[in-house]
Amino acid sequence: EIVMTQSPGTLSLSPGERATLSCRASQSVISNYLAWYQQKPGQAPKLLIYGVSTRATGIPVRFSGSGSGTEFTLTISSLQSEDFAVYYCQQHSAWPLTFGGGTKVEIK
Amino acid sequence: EVQLLESGGGLVQPGGSLRLSCAASGFTFSNYAMVWVRQAPGKGLEWVSGIGGSDGRTFYTDSVKGRFTISRDNSKNTLYLQMNSLRAEDTAFYYCAKDTGQFSNWFDSWGQGTLVSVSS
Repeated sequence: EIVMTQSPGTLSLSPGERATLSCRASQSVISNYLAWYQQKPGQAPKLLIYGVSTRATGIPVRFSGSGSGTEFTLTISSLQSEDFAVYYCQQHSAWPLTFGGGTKVEIK
Repeated sequence: EVQLLESGGGLVQPGGSLRLSCAASGFTFSNYAMVWVRQAPGKGLEWVSGIGGSDGRTFYTDSVKGRFTISRDNSKNTLYLQMNSLRAEDTAFYYCAKDTGQFSNWFDSWGQGTLVSVSS
């Protein structure tokens, strides 16, 4: 099983600031099969990014994904009020599909 | 508009059974793989099981193999999860989600979830 580790657990930032979220895979076999989701309290997850860097339909350009091998990053260039949420990475390379533990982006 | 509506959750005793359903609309159901993902209250996401759109191939996480069965009825646009021998650690919100193809393995639409509580 590929273990996905996200850091930090919590990120405290102000609106307008840049957010950098990290995701590490335990194996490099995931290649570019990495997705990111956003989840707000009481809601289902929402797809943001797939294939490391491709934004899903309707996702603003302030969200970007990068990385390779075992190290991946989700960047939110300028935090908007609606961006404060929990973010999960997910490898979509091999079964069992696995998610990271999440990073909570909270208002500072 | 894609819509996914889960049902069938509830309170069940350890060792009991439940069948979850996910009614899909707004897309050609048989063209897409579907999955169940769960989330224990206050915890992270865990992929549980997936099924192909037309070939019916199935996959499970190790902790549910032999206890859970995923299936689908393409004529009814409905996804199912039969859960047997339930344990306390199966307590979670269960989401159905739509793949973007046949096992692209990322999920562009999610239901709102149904809560399964396993307790005596």
